[in-house]
Amino acid sequence: GQQVMQIPQYQHVQEGEDFTTYCNSSTTLSNIQWYKQRPGGHPVFLIQLVKSGEVKKQKRLTFQFGEAKKNSSLHITATQTTDVGTYFCAGGQFYFGTGTSLTVIP
Amino acid sequence: DVKVTQSSRYLVKRTGEKVFLECVQDMDHENMFWYRQDPGLGLRLIYFSYDVKMKEKGDIPEGYSVSREKKERFSLILESASTNQTSMYLCASSFWAIYGYTFGSGTRLTVV
Repeated sequence: GQQVMQIPQYQHVQEGEDFTTYCNSSTTLSNIQWYKQRPGGHPVFLIQLVKSGEVKKQKRLTFQFGEAKKNSSLHITATQTTDVGTYFCAGGQFYFGTGTSLTVIP
Repeated sequence: DVKVTQSSRYLVKRTGEKVFLECVQDMDHENMFWYRQDPGLGLRLIYFSYDVKMKEKGDIPEGYSVSREKKERFSLILESASTNQTSMYLCASSFWAIYGYTFGSGTRLTVV
């Protein structure tokens, strides 16, 4: 299947610090989706990006889709303890990255 | 809100048993999916279905089969459970990919 690589695998930050996770594909993606999974929970859809160079914001979260549509990033400004969880990207159809597990230290 | 319901939250089965995992969605979605989630491996697609009686293999279909006799229900079958099938199984549905997937709460299966 299509390979979607995600880095880093784990990230620990102090509350208030910023956080970024990156998603990379070897092939051009038709779209990219981002999901959040809280500990013990299931993935919840956050957003989809479709256009080359697209940037979307949800409060403190900023999502970008690369110009070549092969990479994407999720940036959280001033993390809070409620941001704890694993963030997944999903490229094209069906294929999820391995996820980035975010720990926020109060 | 779309609801995707998985029949069991936790299951323990013996090696060699036939196991059925049931998933029901209530929003008339065409697409349904089965993933398994393992630490460090993310979500891996087992099977998906675009319509009733349709099924397509994902990345890791070996040892699994599926059934979709009604639009709202998508079943995952482990023909003869093995210990390497111990995992979290997640069902999802979508109208079209543009709206994202709605996941069920998952079934944590342990095969002993």
